[in-house]
Amino acid sequence: AQSVSQHNHHVILSEAASLELGCNYSYGGTVNLFWYVQYPGQHLQLLLKYFSGDPLVKGIKGFEAEFIKSKFSFNLRKPSVQWSDTAEYFCAVMKTGGYQKVTFGTGTKLQVIP
Amino acid sequence: EPEVTQTPSHQVTQMGQEVILRCVPISNHLYFYWYRQILGQKVEFLVSFYNNEISEKSEIFDDQFSVERPDGSNFTLKIRSTKLEDSAMYFCASTEGAYNEQFFGPGTRLTVL
Repeated sequence: AQSVSQHNHHVILSEAASLELGCNYSYGGTVNLFWYVQYPGQHLQLLLKYFSGDPLVKGIKGFEAEFIKSKFSFNLRKPSVQWSDTAEYFCAVMKTGGYQKVTFGTGTKLQVIP
Repeated sequence: EPEVTQTPSHQVTQMGQEVILRCVPISNHLYFYWYRQILGQKVEFLVSFYNNEISEKSEIFDDQFSVERPDGSNFTLKIRSTKLEDSAMYFCASTEGAYNEQFFGPGTRLTVL
């Protein structure tokens, strides 16, 4: 079974600081990878996804993530965070193939201080 | 932009009661899912549903749980006899195809007293 681990549970940054959130997954086969964001009081929204092709994927709001297959990692980055990025971020993995479930990491709460 | 909707947003029930959580997936989507998130824990898969039958279910999804697509638009999760540990946020998700990302609804917060 696949699993996902997120290294940071709570990150506090000042505005304009750079962000990198770690994510590692464990599964021997081919996977699709996602980062979801949950803003306070709102539902899960897709930030970006990797299915195939260029391992550096760009998402909404200036976020990007890099899939490094040899390290089973899919870290999320943003060069300069804003106060509005305060949210919880979930890394997720899905086996390729039909009807597959998404397996989520435990989430990282990001707090950006103005 | 089309979105997944869920009702109610918050449901409070007594232990042992039956609850039905409702979801309206995006209209052209074919695959449907329920997940739950106990407070302070990660989002966990419960069940996937395609072509009017369960495709996969987790060990959490025991005989107390059932899912149904009673008409062309709704997708429901029923818990027959709720327990205290069923208190959680329940998310519905849908996807157009098995190889696409899943779109999540806003969730129903279930509180079992």
